[in-house]
Amino acid sequence: SQQGEEDPQALSIQEGENATMNCSYKTSINNLQWYRQNSGRGLVHLILIRSNEREKHSGRLRVTLDTSKKSSSLLITASRAADTASYFCAPPNAGGTSYGKLTFGQGTILTVHP
Amino acid sequence: EAQVTQNPRYLITVTGKKLTVTCSQNMNHEYMSWYRQDPGLGLRQIYYSMNVEVTDKGDVPEGYKVSRKEKRNFPLILESPSPNQTSLYFCASRSQGYGGELFFGEGSRLTVL
Repeated sequence: SQQGEEDPQALSIQEGENATMNCSYKTSINNLQWYRQNSGRGLVHLILIRSNEREKHSGRLRVTLDTSKKSSSLLITASRAADTASYFCAPPNAGGTSYGKLTFGQGTILTVHP
Repeated sequence: EAQVTQNPRYLITVTGKKLTVTCSQNMNHEYMSWYRQDPGLGLRQIYYSMNVEVTDKGDVPEGYKVSRKEKRNFPLILESPSPNQTSLYFCASRSQGYGGELFFGEGSRLTVL
């Protein structure tokens, strides 16, 4: 089934810096979602970008989508220590019996140092 | 408040002692799913349900059972737990349709001795 592959696996930055995480996927999608997970807690939906959108903003988050390259990026601007978490991209399965299924990769572990 | 509630949040049990992890959502969602999360393996889907009385296997269903008798509840049953089922479990739900936003519970950390 479709799974997003996040890169890098881990990212360590200072507070105030920007953090960029990338996601690659294999098959066609109608949308792509990003989630955040604080250590040991449930995942929280951050943003959904549709296949006909190139860029989407939500507060300090900026997501881009390049369907020709099958890739997406999540940018967190002016990061805060509270942004420390794992970030996952989730491209839903586009067909077959697993239509719409979200499969999660390993995620990017972001650490923001105060 | 829209939420997915799991119980128990923490449980230590012994091999072979049947247990049930409950999951309830108050958003009238048709779709519900169980995941387990293990270090180095990410989140893996155990079972999912598209609607009441409809359940299907995910990627790692062995050793688990589920039921969906009511729309809001989707319990995960471990008939005879084994140590390899020690994990962090998440229940999630979403409305029907293609790839909608998943709402996750807070997780249930299970240890099987």
